Amino acid sequence: GAVVSQHPSRVICKSGTSVKIECRSLDFQATTMFWYRQFPKQSLMLMATSNEGSKATYEQGVEKDKFLINHASLTLSTLTVTSAHPEDSSFYICSATHPENYGYTFGSGTRLTVV
Amino acid sequence: AQSVTQPDIHITVSEGASLELRCNYSYGATPYLFWYVQSPGQGLQLLLKYFSGDTLVQGIKGFEAEFKRSQSSFNLRKPSVHWSDAAEYFCAVVSAGGTSYGKLTFGQGTILTVHP
Repeated sequence: GAVVSQHPSRVICKSGTSVKIECRSLDFQATTMFWYRQFPKQSLMLMATSNEGSKATYEQGVEKDKFLINHASLTLSTLTVTSAHPEDSSFYICSATHPENYGYTFGSGTRLTVV
Repeated sequence: AQSVTQPDIHITVSEGASLELRCNYSYGATPYLFWYVQSPGQGLQLLLKYFSGDTLVQGIKGFEAEFKRSQSSFNLRKPSVHWSDAAEYFCAVVSAGGTSYGKLTFGQGTILTVHP
C-alpha cells in the first residue's frame, strides 16, 4: 500500500510555456501533499504544502504565481510551472502523508527541462 | 528551527563491508526521524523511521538505525553492503508542531559508492 504516482516522469518544454505535473495517491486518501524541488547533487527543498480544498502554503522565496498548486481532491495534487524559464529546469518530487502510519510516500519525480 | 546534518557527502565501501552513515539533528522536542534512499533520477524510498519506543529501529533491505538522544544522532547502519545499495541516502526530521507542522527537513544527503 501507500503508493504515490507522479506524472510525467520527464518533460521538455519551451521557454514561456506552462507545464503541469500530477501527483496521485493511488490507494489512500491524502489530505496533505508536499512539493519539493531538487537541484543536481543537492538535497530536497520544500516548495509548498498542498492541502485538499484549500490554498497551498508556500515556503519563503517560492513564487506562488509561478508555481501554481491545486489540490482539488483527496487523491490528486497538481503543480503547474507557469511561463517556464531555463532556470526552472529541475527535478520536482511530490510526497503524500499516509493517514494511518504517519509515513511520507514519495512520487518517482519529474525531470523538467526548459529550452 | 529544526535542521539535519549529514557530515559525509560521499562514502565509498567495498561490497560485503559494514556501513554507517551519520546523521545529526537539531530539534527542540522529541523528533520524528526518517532515512530515505534515492537512486539516480528516482523518487525517495523509505528505509526506516523512528517515532518513539525502542531506540534501535529495523528497516528494509537489512538496514537499521539507532536513535541516541544524548548525541542528537540517528545513524544508519548495515552489517554487509551489497552493490545494489549504491545510491544517495537522506536523513530527515519532521516537525510535530508549530508553523512547520508535518514538514520534512532533509539533510544534505550522502552518496554511497560500493566497490566490488
